[in-house]
Amino acid sequence: AQSVTQLGSHVSVSEGALVLLRCNYSSSVPPYLFWYVQYPNQGLQLLLKYTSAATLVKGINGFEAEFKKSETSFHLTKPSAHMSDAAEYFCAVTGGSQGNLIFGKGTKLSVKP
Amino acid sequence: DAGITQSPRHKVTETGTPVTLRCHQTENHRYMYWYRQDPGHGLRLIHYSYGVKDTDKGEVSDGYSVSRSKTEDFLLTLESATSSQTSVYFCAASDRGLDYGYTFGSGTRLTVV
Repeated sequence: AQSVTQLGSHVSVSEGALVLLRCNYSSSVPPYLFWYVQYPNQGLQLLLKYTSAATLVKGINGFEAEFKKSETSFHLTKPSAHMSDAAEYFCAVTGGSQGNLIFGKGTKLSVKP
Repeated sequence: DAGITQSPRHKVTETGTPVTLRCHQTENHRYMYWYRQDPGHGLRLIHYSYGVKDTDKGEVSDGYSVSRSKTEDFLLTLESATSSQTSVYFCAASDRGLDYGYTFGSGTRLTVV
C-alpha cells in the first residue's frame, strides 16, 4: 500500500524566508502527488499536483514542488514566505486500496514577522 | 468554491444518539468521500461512494454508515455517537480523471458529549 510521510509536524519561518515542507512517499508505481493547504476553520484547497508531466510543478500563491523519483520525494517550496502562508499543508498520493488519495499527517506552517 | 456544501457546520450531540451529516455537491462528480480529521492523524477515509447506491468502507468505518440515493447527496450517519467520534468531518468529491484531485467541503465540527 502507498504511504506518505511529512517530516515535521510544525515548521516556523520568518517572513521573507524560504519555505520548505518535506514529503516522501512509498510507491511501487509512479504515483500522482498533490499538495493541499488548509486555512483555519476551512476545508482543504488544492495547491498543486504532479501527474507525470513536468517534474517541477508550479502552483498557486507562489508555491512549487519538485518530483524526484530517485528520492521518492515531493517537497513543497516557496522562495519568500508571507504572513498569509500560515496554514496547515497536506501532501497526498494516489493509490489507496479503494482508489482513494492517501494523505500525510500534515505540517503546520507558522510565519513570524 | 461553492461546489460542495456540508451541513451542519457545527454540531454538539450526546453519547448514544444517532447523527447524520450531509454533503451536497453541484458539480456532478461521480466519486464522493467522507474523511475525518484528527490531530496527529491527518485525514482518514471513513467511507466512499463510486456512484448512486454504490458505497464501500474506508479504513475507519466502524460505527459509521453512508447512503447515496442521488448523485449530489452523500450522507454520513453515526449510528450511536461516541466520544471517540468527536472530530472534524470532511466531504470530498472527484471525477477520478487523469489529473484527479479532490474538491473539499468546508467541514463539520462534531462534538460528542
